[in-house]
Amino acid sequence: AQSVTQPDIHITVSEGASLELRCNYSYGATPYLFWYVQSPGQGLQLLLKYFSGDTLVQGIKGFEAEFKRSQSSFNLRKPSVHWSDAAEYFCAVGGSGTASKLTFGTGTRLQVTL
Amino acid sequence: DVKVTQSSRYLVKRTGEKVFLECVQDMDHENMFWYRQDPGLGLRLIYFSYDVKMKEKGDIPEGYSVSREKKERFSLILESASTNQTSMYLCASRQAGTGIHEQYFGPGTRLTVT
Repeated sequence: AQSVTQPDIHITVSEGASLELRCNYSYGATPYLFWYVQSPGQGLQLLLKYFSGDTLVQGIKGFEAEFKRSQSSFNLRKPSVHWSDAAEYFCAVGGSGTASKLTFGTGTRLQVTL
Repeated sequence: DVKVTQSSRYLVKRTGEKVFLECVQDMDHENMFWYRQDPGLGLRLIYFSYDVKMKEKGDIPEGYSVSREKKERFSLILESASTNQTSMYLCASRQAGTGIHEQYFGPGTRLTVT
């Protein structure tokens, strides 16, 4: 069975500081990996995705993520956080195929202090 | 611009009522999904449909049913609403086929059952 663990429920960082959100996954084959962001009262927006190739993936809003197969991790990073980055972040894992499903982590809520 | 819309942002229903949540996408996507989102539990898949009139149970289908008569529309039905179905409901759609295809989400419906 596939699963995702986001060990940090809540993280607080100062504006301008760097950010790393952790994600560990379990998947029996080569995974498709995603990071989504949810602003208050909104649906989920895709930040970035990974399947193969370069293990460092660039996304929108200045975010990047690094795939580490040996650690089953796909951590999200940003060099300098902005107050508008305050939101909830979800990591997800899935596979290919018509009937493939995504499994989401429980989310990490990011608070940004000024 | 891609769009997934949900019929209501907020809904209040009484216990025992039959509830319909509607989702429409304008991207000609084959796959559509219904999730519920609860604090600390992340997103959990209720049902998904990989094509018109096709449906498959997700992780928590009990108490729910779905209908997909047209490609663009996917309905979630609570046959007899209960208080433990109070939650945020998110609809998503995805293009089928090979390659890494992300899910696009609607804004969500916050359902309260009293």
